[in-house]
Amino acid sequence: DAGVTQSPTHLIKTRGQQVTLRCSPKSGHDTVSWYQQALGQGPQFIFQYYEEEERQRGNFPDRFSGHQFPNYSSELNVNALLLGDSALYLCASSLGFRGQSSYEQYFGPGTRLTVT
Amino acid sequence: DQQVKQNSPSLSVQEGRISILNCDYTNSMFDYFLWYKKYPAEGPTFLISISSIKDKNEDGRFTVFLNKSAKHLSLHIVPSQPGDSAVYFCAASLPMEYGNKLVFGAGTILRVKS
Repeated sequence: DAGVTQSPTHLIKTRGQQVTLRCSPKSGHDTVSWYQQALGQGPQFIFQYYEEEERQRGNFPDRFSGHQFPNYSSELNVNALLLGDSALYLCASSLGFRGQSSYEQYFGPGTRLTVT
Repeated sequence: DQQVKQNSPSLSVQEGRISILNCDYTNSMFDYFLWYKKYPAEGPTFLISISSIKDKNEDGRFTVFLNKSAKHLSLHIVPSQPGDSAVYFCAASLPMEYGNKLVFGAGTILRVKS
C-alpha cells in the first residue's frame, strides 16, 4: 500500500524565483493538505484541497498557491521566493473533508526547500 | 498566536521506564487531539488520537489523557524503548464544520537511553 509520496526531496532556489512541489496521496485518500515546517517548529498549515478545490487556508500570503488534480495528487506553488520560505514542506493526505476519518492525516517525507 | 504548546523541548528517559510528554492548548473549541512521531528525514507518523468527549485513549504501550478543564493533554509511553526516540508533536483540530486543519505544537525530542 503506497503511502504519501513527495517530489523532489530537496530543492535549492534563488530569491525571487518560483517553485513547484508535488504530492501523491496515500492510496484511497482524496484530501490533501500542505504544511510548512521551519527549523525547530511544528508544521504550520498552508491550505487543504478536496474535490479539486481549496477548502481551507492558513495564514500564508497569496504567493502560496496550489492545485489538486482529478487523481487527487496535488501541487504547491510558491512565487517570488523569500529567504524566509526556506523550510520543510510536508504534504498530508486523509479520507474525506469531514467525518472522523478526515482528522487522521498521513504525512509524506517532505521536500526540503532552501532559498539562497 | 501559539494555540498549542509543548513546553518541554526535550525529555530523556531510561529504557523500560515511563515517558510522559505534555501538551497545553488555549482554544477551547478544539475537539480532537492527535500525537505524531517524527524520525529524522521522515514525515510525521500518526500515533494516537483522542476525541474531546473522552478523557483517555489507549493503544498498546501508548495512552493519551485529556483534561479539558485544564486544557491539557499528555502522552504516556510504557515501557519506553530505544526505538521510541524521536520528536513527538501534539496537534489539535477544530470541529468538522470549521474544517479539519491541524494546529501543531513545536515538538518534544524524546531520548530513550538503553
